[in-house]
Formats: sequence, C-alpha cells, structure tokens
Amino acid sequence: EPEVTQTPSHQVTQMGQEVILRCVPISNHLYFYWYRQILGQKVEFLVSFYNNEISEKSEIFDDQFSVERPDGSNFTLKIRSTKLEDSAMYFCASEAGTSGVVFFGEGSRLTVL
Amino acid sequence: GQQVMQIPQYQHVQEGEDFTTYCNSSTTLSNIQWYKQRPGGHPVFLIQLVKSGEVKKQKRLTFQFGEAKKNSSLHITATQTTDVGTYFCAGLRMDSSYKLIFGSGTRLLVRP
Repeated sequence: EPEVTQTPSHQVTQMGQEVILRCVPISNHLYFYWYRQILGQKVEFLVSFYNNEISEKSEIFDDQFSVERPDGSNFTLKIRSTKLEDSAMYFCASEAGTSGVVFFGEGSRLTVL
Repeated sequence: GQQVMQIPQYQHVQEGEDFTTYCNSSTTLSNIQWYKQRPGGHPVFLIQLVKSGEVKKQKRLTFQFGEAKKNSSLHITATQTTDVGTYFCAGLRMDSSYKLIFGSGTRLLVRP
C-alpha cells in the first residue's frame, strides 16, 4: 500500500539552528500538507501546498517556516531559526485531490534544546 | 475561525464496555473524517462521512454524521485493549486546500 514517508524520524537541534524535515508524499497525490502536534495536544494545521505553491497557511507558519518541492517527489519543511516551542512532532500528509482523504506520514519528532 | 470541539478529553473504560466520543464544529462541514492515533504513532485514517445523517459501521465501530453536518460521533461497542489510542475527528473544508481542522481528540484507555 502506498504511504507517505518522512525523514528523519527524530532530530535534536540547538535553539537558533536551521532544520529541514523531508517528506515523500504518495505518488500521484496533488495536495501536500504539514501538520504539527505538540506532545499531548491536538494535530494543528501548518500549511498546504498545491500546484507548486502554498495554497493556505496557518498563523503558526510564520516567516521562520518555508516549504519547498524541489523535485517531483520530495516535499520539505524548513525552520530557519528554531525556537524551544518548535519542539513537536511534525507530520507530512498528502491527498489525491479527489476523495478528500488525507494520508499521514509517521512523523518527524523535533526536539529543540 | 473554524473550530472543531471534541469531548470527552479522556475516557477510561473496562474492557467490554462501550465508548463514545462526540465532535462538534462551529461551522457546517463538507465532510468529516475520523483518525486513530496509537501512543507514539501517527494519525491513521479510519473513515470519511460525507452525507447529512450518514451512518457507517466498521465491525464494532459506528460513525454518525449529524443532519446539519456540524456534529459527528464515534461509538465503539464492547471495547478491547487494542482499541487504546486517541481518536480524532477532523472536519474538511472542500476548497482549494482540502484543509483538515482537527478536534482535540479523545484519549481512550481500556482496562483489561
């Protein structure tokens, strides 16, 4: 069964450092997302991406965040200068553009020290 | 902005007891999806409800979508220890982004 894959599974970084989280969405899917889940809390929408551009972003997705689809398969989330409060599980997700069913990757746990 | 509320926050049941979680949106939804997240895991899609008043069943799980498409429920009959996890509802906006708004989740614990 096709799945969304994410790397790394866990990243530990110092405050102020740049972090790039990588995702390979399901092939042929058209919509790509990043969601965030702080430990013990609900899943929060960060950004959606369609047709090679951001289609929507939340208030969490400030100037420190950026997304890119550098080639036909990868979808990356960059945090330019990490803060302690960026520590969370980051989920990549994709949707085919037909059913509305969103499939999630297993997540990348970011720990900012 | 659009909000999705979910209750209860926690439910601790004896194995074999039933369990229900309720979801309520501040706005009318295009559809609603339910996800299960095991401890340490990622959200796994369970089901999607689209039609007003729709009821769907998956073995011991029954999902309902309200007539006004603003609320939904998940009912588990005769819980098992394998049902442990957090159940999230997520309302979908069928616009250009297919953005999911997640409820706060209900964490289910099952005593064997």
